Amino acid sequence: QQQVKQSPQSLIVQKGGISIINCAYENTAFDYFPWYQQFPGKGPALLIAIRPDVSEKKEGRFTISFNKSAKQFSLHIMDSQPGDSATYFCAASGASGTYKYIFGTGTRLKVLA
Amino acid sequence: DADVTQTPRNRITKTGKRIMLECSQTKGHDRMYWYRQDPGLGLRLIYYSFDVKDINKGEISDGYSVSRQAQAKFSLSLESAIPNQTALYFCATSDTTGVGQPQHFGDGTRLSIL
Repeated sequence: QQQVKQSPQSLIVQKGGISIINCAYENTAFDYFPWYQQFPGKGPALLIAIRPDVSEKKEGRFTISFNKSAKQFSLHIMDSQPGDSATYFCAASGASGTYKYIFGTGTRLKVLA
Repeated sequence: DADVTQTPRNRITKTGKRIMLECSQTKGHDRMYWYRQDPGLGLRLIYYSFDVKDINKGEISDGYSVSRQAQAKFSLSLESAIPNQTALYFCATSDTTGVGQPQHFGDGTRLSIL
């Protein structure tokens, strides 16, 4: 129940295309869903996050879509750029009254120039 | 200067050795975390601390111990290192106000155990 399942494991997209990464969770007590971006040699950095009271959140080219009934959320990167090439992690937090994160297994995105 | 600093950045050592990884932060956050990253497994929580007097085990604490020396310092120890502890280790911090506060990560320690 504590798992967050992320797919795909890797993704190759042409420059200007849309990158889509999906995550699914089991525990309905989760109430905060962040996405992190990690470049080689660096720690993960918060990209965008959503609470379950909204179905979509957009920040620039990055959008989170959230489907509470299906217990799924996804990251959409519009007009993908080579600089977006990184590993992306979804996470879920808020269950059991703590602020621990449960991370997905990560998606390695490569955007071709 | 980085807000969350991890030392060393790289370490190669032998099986059975005691190793300490250190983390310091200038963000003034009370909460600190240690994670381990392995390819295909994502980030897994080893230990976390909500203040200096509070230490909690995460999902993979066996073989590890921690010490919270001050609000700004949180160290991770491997008492007797074994090869399957070879991984990338990250320290993170978060604020205490409200639910869902973002975690801020250091740039990691790459640990290799031969």
